[in-house]
Amino acid sequence: DGGITQSPKYLFRKEGQNVTLSCEQNLNHDAMYWYRQDPGQGLRLIYYSQIVNDFQKGDIAEGYSVSREKKESFPLTVTSAQKNPTAFYLCASTPRGGSGLEQFFGPGTRLTVL
Amino acid sequence: SQQGEEDPQALSIQEGENATMNCSYKTSINNLQWYRQNSGRGLVHLILIRSNEREKHSGRLRVTLDTSKKSSSLLITASRAADTASYFCATVGGYGNKLVFGAGTILRVKS
Repeated sequence: DGGITQSPKYLFRKEGQNVTLSCEQNLNHDAMYWYRQDPGQGLRLIYYSQIVNDFQKGDIAEGYSVSREKKESFPLTVTSAQKNPTAFYLCASTPRGGSGLEQFFGPGTRLTVL
Repeated sequence: SQQGEEDPQALSIQEGENATMNCSYKTSINNLQWYRQNSGRGLVHLILIRSNEREKHSGRLRVTLDTSKKSSSLLITASRAADTASYFCATVGGYGNKLVFGAGTILRVKS
């Protein structure tokens, strides 16, 4: 089965801790994206990567970091600098960056700060 | 910043009725896409309409695009309880790198 997996499904973090959310895809897609969704709102772009070893800041990158060492993996670290990290995080991919094609989404990770 | 604005914010209808959701945007686009999200899940792509297209169909879905008014509509015909979800429009600008999402319409279909 081809698709995007995110883990864990639920994540709890104490204030001041860094946490890393996993995103893996076996679709052989070049481009990957991280979004944040708050209740009753649409998705906001955190970071995106069009190719391995390259990534760009989205609209709300402050307090987050990413890496893209492998084509299939795009982990997101939520650092202690992110003041309000409680949210639903979604990872997505698309065959080619810059194509404007449909994006394929993972099931999401719900992060709660205690 | 969110470019798309959906209208209405919430919609409740009876099974079998049609549901219409609208999306307005502010700047020129390459294409516009509609996605569905079931509660607590990821998004699922429904349909993509390019800036030079005016109407597109997919099963019970009909999407229109009016670039002069910077607006789009999604019509779901003969709705079912399983159509209950949030629906988002997303626009792609000329550079084609990023989707910009609206806040969504919550659709509830009562059986």
